[in-house]
This record gives sequence, C-alpha cells and structure tokens, in this order.
Amino acid sequence: GAGVSQSPSNKVTEKGKDVELRCDPISGHTALYWYRQRLGQGLEFLIYFQGNSAPDKSGLPSDRFSAERTGESVSTLTIQRTQQEDSAVYLCASSWGVLAYEQYFGPGTRLTVT
Amino acid sequence: AQSVTQLDSQVPVFEEAPVELRCNYSSSVSVYLFWYVQYPNQGLQLLLKYLSGSTLVKGINGFEAEFNKSQTSFHLRKPSVHISDTAEYFCAVSGSGGYNKLIFGAGTRLAVHP
Repeated sequence: GAGVSQSPSNKVTEKGKDVELRCDPISGHTALYWYRQRLGQGLEFLIYFQGNSAPDKSGLPSDRFSAERTGESVSTLTIQRTQQEDSAVYLCASSWGVLAYEQYFGPGTRLTVT
Repeated sequence: AQSVTQLDSQVPVFEEAPVELRCNYSSSVSVYLFWYVQYPNQGLQLLLKYLSGSTLVKGINGFEAEFNKSQTSFHLRKPSVHISDTAEYFCAVSGSGGYNKLIFGAGTRLAVHP
C-alpha cells in the first residue's frame, strides 16, 4: 500500500516568505508526527497529532511555526516569515495510534531559505 | 529529560567485516529503544526495536542490537556488512508512558568499502 507522502520534495524560498509543507499519512493511521532534521544532526521532534488535536506542540521552535491536521488525514506545517535557520529537512511520520511503536516516515521536504 | 548519544559520527568499514554502531541513552524512566536507517534520498526505515523481554533484539537485514540497562546502551551490530548497508543510522528513545515521541541521536554514517 501507499506509504507516507510529503510535498513538495524540495522548496527554496526567500527569507521572510511564508511556506506550507504537506504530509499525507498512511490511511488509517491516527497519530502523526513532524520532525526537523538539520544538516549533520539528528531529528528534532516538533509536534504530534492524535486525530486532529495536537496534545504536544512543545517542539515547535517559535510562534512562526504552526501545524494543523484535517481529521485523521492530511497535515500541513506552516512556517511564517522564514529565516535562514529554518533551512532543514522536515519529516513527517504516522502510526496506528499513539501507543503504536513503529512510526512510518515520509521522504521529507528539503527547505532552503536564501 | 531523555537524550541519546551516538558515539561515532562516521564509521568506515570494509565489505564482509563486522561492524558495531554505538548508542548510549539517558532517561529517568523506563524506555523503549529503536534503530532507524536512512538510505540516500529516502525516508527513515525501522531496523529494530526493544520494548521489553529479551535484551538481544534481531532486526531486518541481519542487524541485531543488545539492550544493556546497567550501561544505558543499545549498540547495533552486524557480523558481515554489504555495500548496500551504506547509509545513515539513527538511534532513538521514547518513554514507556504516554505517546511515542521519539528522541533521536545525531546519527552515524556507515560507509562500506569494497
């Protein structure tokens, strides 16, 4: 079956512009996670959704970052007024539920802020 | 707070040689431990996981890892590597309570040479 998909795969934007990143989880997966991977570093947790609610937003770096999810489907991560330090690969993962221990990752969106 | 340290950023090895990728964690609660692999231009794939029970865990592609609670380690091993094992390997930890938020190490780049 289809895995987690993310779009766009690459995004180059100018400093100060807003960007929107999209994640389509595996059908039926109720939990969805966003992570950020900076060059040469591990993944940083950003936010997780159970259904369309976000019980933990503790990893969002600043109020320029926001995310929403429609039901148990698509999620969008929005970064307003992008800064160069936002350049990273943004990865989305989904799982059957919050207590399901295998997270399935998408290929990521590479964001470059110039 | 939980954290993960991967002791080697890069590990070069010749084909058919054994390899060990080291991972240490810190946590004040019981943990679940994971190893993920990221092939070039691909998303993360789960190699293996420790939830409970036997401390020696076998995963895909001939990899195995041993959970050592006293040394707070979860080292990944393979007795004979192939060129196709060249990838980035990430160790991750999550708490045993609540949802499965993963804390990742910085990654180890395994480079297998002919």
